[in-house]
Amino acid sequence: DAGITQSPRHKVTETGTPVTLRCHQTENHRYMYWYRQDPGHGLRLIHYSYGVKDTDKGEVSDGYSVSRSKTEDFLLTLESATSSQTSVYFCAISERGGGSTDTQYFGPGTRLTVL
Amino acid sequence: AQSVTQLGSHVSVSEGALVLLRCNYSSSVPPYLFWYVQYPNQGLQLLLKYTSAATLVKGINDFEAEFKKSETSFHLTKPSAHMSDAAEYFCAVSGDTGNQFYFGTGTSLTVIP
Repeated sequence: DAGITQSPRHKVTETGTPVTLRCHQTENHRYMYWYRQDPGHGLRLIHYSYGVKDTDKGEVSDGYSVSRSKTEDFLLTLESATSSQTSVYFCAISERGGGSTDTQYFGPGTRLTVL
Repeated sequence: AQSVTQLGSHVSVSEGALVLLRCNYSSSVPPYLFWYVQYPNQGLQLLLKYTSAATLVKGINDFEAEFKKSETSFHLTKPSAHMSDAAEYFCAVSGDTGNQFYFGTGTSLTVIP
């Protein structure tokens, strides 16, 4: 299994509070991604990174920010959580990005509930 | 722009029966196509991928998929369903220069004993 961990694995928070999710990899892959998974929507890309300090927006980036100060860590921040951000969040990594035959490797997910 | 459409959000088959999960893609460039599987409370893992080397792709656990350009399809099949195949299956595409992979909405497979 690819070395990807996510923390926390479960979190319950209240509307308006800031939340940070962490993705850590031991594979030294260049690309890292944050997705959210919701029933009926599949996986939707929030943000991705193509190198240290290099990030770009995905399909559903509003209300989220990311940072990558080290190759191994990719942080997802909800500045002020809302109930619509209740979801399961997955981190993924790949050596090359989209536009390639590269396989993405996924973390175990973080279940976030915003009350 | 690229996208995939998975027909049927839920599919039920009897144990031992053929599994067919449908995926159609839209791409302005030759696509790379993937099938991932997600078991309950886990992340996704790769089943197989099309890289243009061969149109019939074999994956893990006897799954295979055939790339049909004329039909813009990449359907997933397995000759004989096993109880352990019950999971969520996602089709995905990449192929442009946008550094992104695009996922379908998923198909939940139920295997009836």
